[in-house]
Amino acid sequence: SAVISQKPSRDICQRGTSLTIQCQVDSQVTMMFWYRQQPGQSLTLIATANQGSEATYESGFVIDKFPISRPNLTFSTLTVSNMSPEDSSIYLCSVETGEKVYEQYFGPGTRLTVT
Amino acid sequence: QKEVEQDPGPLSVPEGAIVSLNCTYSNSAFQYFMWYRQYSRKGPELLMYTYSSGNKEDGRFTAQVDKSSKYISLFIRDSQPSDSATYLCAMSAGNTGKLIFGQGTTLQVKP
Repeated sequence: SAVISQKPSRDICQRGTSLTIQCQVDSQVTMMFWYRQQPGQSLTLIATANQGSEATYESGFVIDKFPISRPNLTFSTLTVSNMSPEDSSIYLCSVETGEKVYEQYFGPGTRLTVT
Repeated sequence: QKEVEQDPGPLSVPEGAIVSLNCTYSNSAFQYFMWYRQYSRKGPELLMYTYSSGNKEDGRFTAQVDKSSKYISLFIRDSQPSDSATYLCAMSAGNTGKLIFGQGTTLQVKP
């Protein structure tokens, strides 16, 4: 398993601003992912954070809006840029440890409210 | 049509009841089937993991996969108030690590 922490745990931001969310893992992992969980909705994958290369984005998500960094095997950041109220959501990072294929562990999430 | 359908509930049962949670899916390429439990204001926690069809049991929890019907289930025996949470099914085709989640079913077990 893996222990994952996220910062901040919650934030209230004004529209038009940007917020960077940090994800820290207690061990080196190959795969890190960023998800969005909107109220009453399922988790939706935003992108896969690749170490040493550009993130891979899912349909409907673009780098200009959600830039991602992955400087090493234990850390990643997701920035929500030029925010609007529609970006209010819970943002979660997850990791795949490789012990069992497609077994992912999630962080506690960052609850974002945009006013 | 969503790739994964899950009744959001809420589902309320008395303590000790057997709970059945279900998901249907449309993508026949899915090979890996997971159940996550999410407590309020927490991240999802992996409960069960099944590859392809069949049953898997872990304590009070049993996961079933019927690929012919594109239907998966999670059974909770002797349910406890501590089982009160949202249960999310998740699936993967197995070649990218990408998980497709159901909407989640909110379960309340009353003492």
